[in-house]
Amino acid sequence: QKEVEQNSGPLSVPEGAIASLNCTYSDRGSQSFFWYRQYSGKSPELIMSIYSNGDKEDGRFTAQLNKASQYVSLLIRDSQPSDSATYLCAVNPLWTSGTYKYIFGTGTRLKVLA
Amino acid sequence: KAGVTQTPRYLIKTRGQQVTLSCSPISGHRSVSWYQQTPGQGLQFLFEYFSETQRNKGNFPGRFSGRQFSNSRSEMNVSTLELGDSALYLCASSLATGEGETQYFGPGTRLLVL
Repeated sequence: QKEVEQNSGPLSVPEGAIASLNCTYSDRGSQSFFWYRQYSGKSPELIMSIYSNGDKEDGRFTAQLNKASQYVSLLIRDSQPSDSATYLCAVNPLWTSGTYKYIFGTGTRLKVLA
Repeated sequence: KAGVTQTPRYLIKTRGQQVTLSCSPISGHRSVSWYQQTPGQGLQFLFEYFSETQRNKGNFPGRFSGRQFSNSRSEMNVSTLELGDSALYLCASSLATGEGETQYFGPGTRLLVL
């Protein structure tokens, strides 16, 4: 069973702090990794994609990937109350024929306190 | 470029009825995936269509079916509705690039089965 695991939270951080969201996955052959943000009652919105080991930065967001440890994380710098949402980690396994294409974690709820 | 659109946005049905949901992908995207999202189960993959063919399928009963048209628009049908089918149904379209394939979600259809 291919799995993606996240801590459900809530993760509470003060405004201006760094929020660190973590995700582990079980399929060692996974190739693509994504972070989505989902506000309550809304659909997921893509924040970051990462395909290679290391860090990838986009504005206040940094995605970190470690394939050896099967671990992907999202850092949010200078957290704002508007960042309060559920963050979904998604993994695209290497083998997609006849099975799940994307596997999503259940999400981590982030609360940024003003 | 217009995003993914889904219709209708809200639906109320009763047990035993059937329902058809529609999704129009981003222009140029040929892959359309469907997901069911519930508070208890998170985002669950239903199926994916590419060039009018079902390319991947999740672990859902046969009551859930879909199709894709030549213009890449897709429909999802659920027959013999059960109370447990109440959920947010999300459609996502994707386009393969050199790095991989990234999914973009529509606003979703919220289905309530009474």
